[in-house]
Amino acid sequence: KAGVTQTPRYLIKTRGQQVTLSCSPISGHRSVSWYQQTPGQGLQFLFEYFSETQRNKGNFPGRFSGRQFSNSRSEMNVSTLELGDSALYLCASSLFGGLADTQYFGPGTRLTVL
Amino acid sequence: DQQVKQNSPSLSVQEGRISILNCDYTNSMFDYFLWYKKYPAEGPTFLISISSIKDKNEDGRFTVFLNKSAKHLSLHIVPSQPGDSAVYFCAARWGGGGADGLTFGKGTHLIIQP
Repeated sequence: KAGVTQTPRYLIKTRGQQVTLSCSPISGHRSVSWYQQTPGQGLQFLFEYFSETQRNKGNFPGRFSGRQFSNSRSEMNVSTLELGDSALYLCASSLFGGLADTQYFGPGTRLTVL
Repeated sequence: DQQVKQNSPSLSVQEGRISILNCDYTNSMFDYFLWYKKYPAEGPTFLISISSIKDKNEDGRFTVFLNKSAKHLSLHIVPSQPGDSAVYFCAARWGGGGADGLTFGKGTHLIIQP
C-alpha cells in the first residue's frame, strides 16, 4: 500500500505570494491532518479534515486554510506569505482520525519564503 | 505555553545499551500518548503508543512507561542499535473531541555511538 504523498517536496516563494500544497492520504484513510514544523516552535497542528469537513483547527491565523476532496485528497493554502511561514509542512492521514488511530506522515513540503 | 516538553534536546548512548527518552506534559486532559521517530528529510514514523488507562506498553525493543500522577512518560529502547539514531518526538492528544491534532514535544536527538 502506498504511503502518504505530498507535492511539491520543495517550494520557494516570495513574501506576499500565496501557495497551495497537496497531500494524498493512504488509500482508505479518510482523515487528513496538517502540521507545521519550524526550528523554534517544533511540530504544530494546523487543522484536520474528515469527509471534506474541517473538524478541528489549531492556533494559526486565517491565512492558513485547507480543503478536502471526495477522494480524501487534501490541499493546504497559505495566502499573503510571510518570512515566518518558512517551514516544513507535514500531512498525516489516518483511518477515521479517532483517538487511537495511528497517524501516518508524509515526507513533507519544504517551503522557503524569501 | 508548551504542553508537552522534552527537556533533553540530545542524548548520546552506546550501541547495545539502554536508551531512555523522557517526556513531561502539563495538560491533564491528555489521554493518549505516542512516540514518533524522524530521520532527516522524512516525515515522522509512528513507534509506539499508550493509553492513559495503562502504565506500560511494549513492542519489541521499545517500551513506553506512563506515570499519570507525575505527568511523565518515557521511551526505553533496549538494546540500542545504530539505526535508532534519529530525532524522537513525544506526542499527546485528548479524546474529548475525538478529532484534535497531536500536540508534540520539540524532540530529542538520539545518537547511538558504536
